[in-house]
Amino acid sequence: DIQMTQSPSTLSASVGDRVTITCRASQSINTWLAWYLQRPGKAPELLIYKASSLEAGVPSRFSGSGSGTEFTLTISRLQPDDFATYYCQQYNSYPVTFGGGTKVEIK
Amino acid sequence: QVQLVESGGGVVQPGRSLRLSCVASGFSFSSYAMHWVRQAPGKGLEWVAVILYDGSNKYYADSVQDRFTISRDNSKNTLYLQMNSLRAEDTAVYYCASTKVGATRLPDYWGQGTLVTVSS
Repeated sequence: DIQMTQSPSTLSASVGDRVTITCRASQSINTWLAWYLQRPGKAPELLIYKASSLEAGVPSRFSGSGSGTEFTLTISRLQPDDFATYYCQQYNSYPVTFGGGTKVEIK
Repeated sequence: QVQLVESGGGVVQPGRSLRLSCVASGFSFSSYAMHWVRQAPGKGLEWVAVILYDGSNKYYADSVQDRFTISRDNSKNTLYLQMNSLRAEDTAVYYCASTKVGATRLPDYWGQGTLVTVSS
């Protein structure tokens, strides 16, 4: 199985900050990587797919990059609604696997 | 708009069975692969299973292989998860999720989930 490792596990930031989350795969997944946002008590929401493609309706302050084994999610200017947990997920092969999550907290 | 509504969760004793359902609307259900993903309380996301659009192929996580069965009824726009021999570690919120065209391994839109608690 492909292991996905996210860092950091927790991140403290302020509204307006630029935030970067990293995700590493245990083997190459090309660009078959997605990012999700999950607010407390809610279902995950797809933000980015194919490493850098923005899902319809997602604000442009979210961006993704990377290929192979190293990927990043960047939020250019953090908004109050962005304080949540973020997960990466590889969909290169079954079983589909998720990173452990990064919780973005208010500083 | 796309809507996925899960049901069937509840409290069940270890070793017993439960069947979850997910009713889809707002899209052509029979054209898309569908996933189940779960989340234990306070934990991260764990993929459970996927079924292709026509039910021809199914894949499972090792943790549920031979205990859980994913199925679908395209005439009813409904996805199922039959869970047998339940264990305490199966306690989680179970989400169903649809996929994108041509990306059967990518859950994109998720339902709100149904909670399964396995406890004596």
